[in-house]
Amino acid sequence: AQSVTQLGSHVSVSEGALVLLRCNYSSSVPPYLFWYVQYPNQGLQLLLKYTTGATLVKGINGFEAEFKKSETSFHLTKPSAHMSDAAEYFCAVSEGRETSGSRLTFGEGTQLTVNP
Amino acid sequence: KAGVTQTPRYLIKTRGQQVTLSCSPISGHRSVSWYQQTPGQGLQFLFEYFSETQRNKGNFPGRFSGRQFSNSRSEMNVSTLELGDSALYLCASSLEALGTQYFGPGTRLTVL
Repeated sequence: AQSVTQLGSHVSVSEGALVLLRCNYSSSVPPYLFWYVQYPNQGLQLLLKYTTGATLVKGINGFEAEFKKSETSFHLTKPSAHMSDAAEYFCAVSEGRETSGSRLTFGEGTQLTVNP
Repeated sequence: KAGVTQTPRYLIKTRGQQVTLSCSPISGHRSVSWYQQTPGQGLQFLFEYFSETQRNKGNFPGRFSGRQFSNSRSEMNVSTLELGDSALYLCASSLEALGTQYFGPGTRLTVL
């Protein structure tokens, strides 16, 4: 079975500061990893994904994440926070196997607040 | 290309009733998945359909069911609604069986 742990249900940063949202996963097979963002009263928007290949993945809006197999981590970072980054962020994992399809297992989410 | 659309966006029902939610995937996408989002349980997988066949099912009671049509559009049905079924129901589509999932805006279901 797979699982995702997001450390910190709430993270607060100042505008212009580094954003670091932590995600650790558990998977018995090489995982596919994702970060999604959710704004109020909206669905989930894909920020970035890791499937295979380069472990540093760049996404939209200046976000990036690094897959570290030895640490079973996939932390999300952004060098400089913007007010528009305030939202809830979800880390997710899928097995990437035919038998399990595209099924995603999500973390509990991290609410990011950006202070002016 | 239009994104995933879900109808209706908001729905209010009473206990014991049934409800049907609809999802139209991105054009060309053949896989549709459904998720339930609640403050207490977070995002939980309901089921996945690919080419009209259910490929995966989450740990939900049989009151939750779904189907997919030949045009890849999908519906989910919840019978005998309970208060705990109040949630945001999200649909996601992907091009292939292992593809990246793209989400719709969700249907907010309130059960009174």
